[in-house]
Amino acid sequence: GIQVEQSPPDLILQEGANSTLRCNFSDSVNNLQWFHQNPWGQLINLFYIPSGTKQNGRLSATTVATERYSLLYISSSQTTDSGVYFCAGTSGNFNKFYFGSGTKLNVKP
Amino acid sequence: NAGVTQTPKFRVLKTGQSMTLLCAQDMNHEYMYWYRQDPGMGLRLIHYSVGEGTTAKGEVPDGYNVSRLKKQNFLLGLESAAPSQTSVYFCASSPRSTNEQFFGPGTRLTVL
Repeated sequence: GIQVEQSPPDLILQEGANSTLRCNFSDSVNNLQWFHQNPWGQLINLFYIPSGTKQNGRLSATTVATERYSLLYISSSQTTDSGVYFCAGTSGNFNKFYFGSGTKLNVKP
Repeated sequence: NAGVTQTPKFRVLKTGQSMTLLCAQDMNHEYMYWYRQDPGMGLRLIHYSVGEGTTAKGEVPDGYNVSRLKKQNFLLGLESAAPSQTSVYFCASSPRSTNEQFFGPGTRLTVL
């Protein structure tokens, strides 16, 4: 299977700061998604972004499939943004998803 | 719409016991998935199904069996639980058109 590397593994921000999370894949990737796992363990869909750029409020994401990476931008961070951010995708087999180990974000008030 | 639901939410088993986890979705999705999440790690795919009556192995299938008798339900079975299967189990479903996954709330399983 493909290797999914997320960086940074841990991130501490002051409320109001901006950040960029990165996801690298070892092979070409399809069906790329970003998720937020909140402190209660719930997985929340942020973006389904096989390619290109999408924006949703303070969050935006960009995937460059040919270069095997995706970026998640968080602007004007809030304490409710805390949690773990995961990226996931498939390669080859359309249904075999591989997840990164996540970026743990802590936004301090 | 309830989305993806999982039953039970918590369970404690003794080594060697068996159990079945139930996943149900009301979005008419073709694809369904079972994952496990261990502390500090991402999710790993156990089994998946691309349609009623069909299942396939994921990344970590050993010790688990699955069945998809109805389109809306996907069952995960542990025939003889082991402490290494202590984990949080997540179910997901996705439509064939995009394969964008939607997750259930998870089941926390402890095997003593």
